[in-house]
Amino acid sequence: DADVTQTPRNRITKTGKRIMLECSQTKGHDRMYWYRQDPGLGLRLIYYSFDVKDINKGEISDGYSVSRQAQAKFSLSLESAIPNQTALYFCATQGGSYTGELFFGEGSRLTVL
Amino acid sequence: GQQLNQSPQSMFIQEGEDVSMNCTSSSIFNTWLWYKQDPGEGPVLLIALYKAGELTSNGRLTAQFGITRKDSFLNISASIPSDVGIYFCAGLSGGANSKLTFGKGITLSVRP
Repeated sequence: DADVTQTPRNRITKTGKRIMLECSQTKGHDRMYWYRQDPGLGLRLIYYSFDVKDINKGEISDGYSVSRQAQAKFSLSLESAIPNQTALYFCATQGGSYTGELFFGEGSRLTVL
Repeated sequence: GQQLNQSPQSMFIQEGEDVSMNCTSSSIFNTWLWYKQDPGEGPVLLIALYKAGELTSNGRLTAQFGITRKDSFLNISASIPSDVGIYFCAGLSGGANSKLTFGKGITLSVRP
């Protein structure tokens, strides 16, 4: 089983719908991240959390919100999806050594029509 | 904000060839990392570099932390088809609470 699990893996939705992407991890890491990947733009940070009581905006947080329900769970929400939020979304965790190594999930591909 | 520059966006090589990728920045980084993303998967760490001038190998991969701390390169020797993927450089500039800055990635294709 994967250490960082994302659900759903694929989702097609319509403009204006609310969408939640969920991430759970079994690595016991405090730090969790949500990234968005678009072709040619690399990985851009949406939100991050250093522990259960900590939530921080990344470089592209507009239109997104997050919830850290527990150490192991970090969910990303799109309150009212729009087509330019069509992308591949990744959750990642980071261990306590802060070496820069992130452990990524397999990604959630979201299409907004 | 800080940016890491990777170019070209795509590279095409023949199986067996060596390939080199650079990553440059106008800012200083204290840690350089190289990640690979296989098709349909999340990125995975290949090599991490922690000291200026450091040269590190991992099998057919070799990476170096530039002495100016503003660049890094990754070499892949004797490429094989499973080297296909997106290669991202990443950097850390601060202490324990700093966040990774990622380059935009280079998509590598290997022709059999």
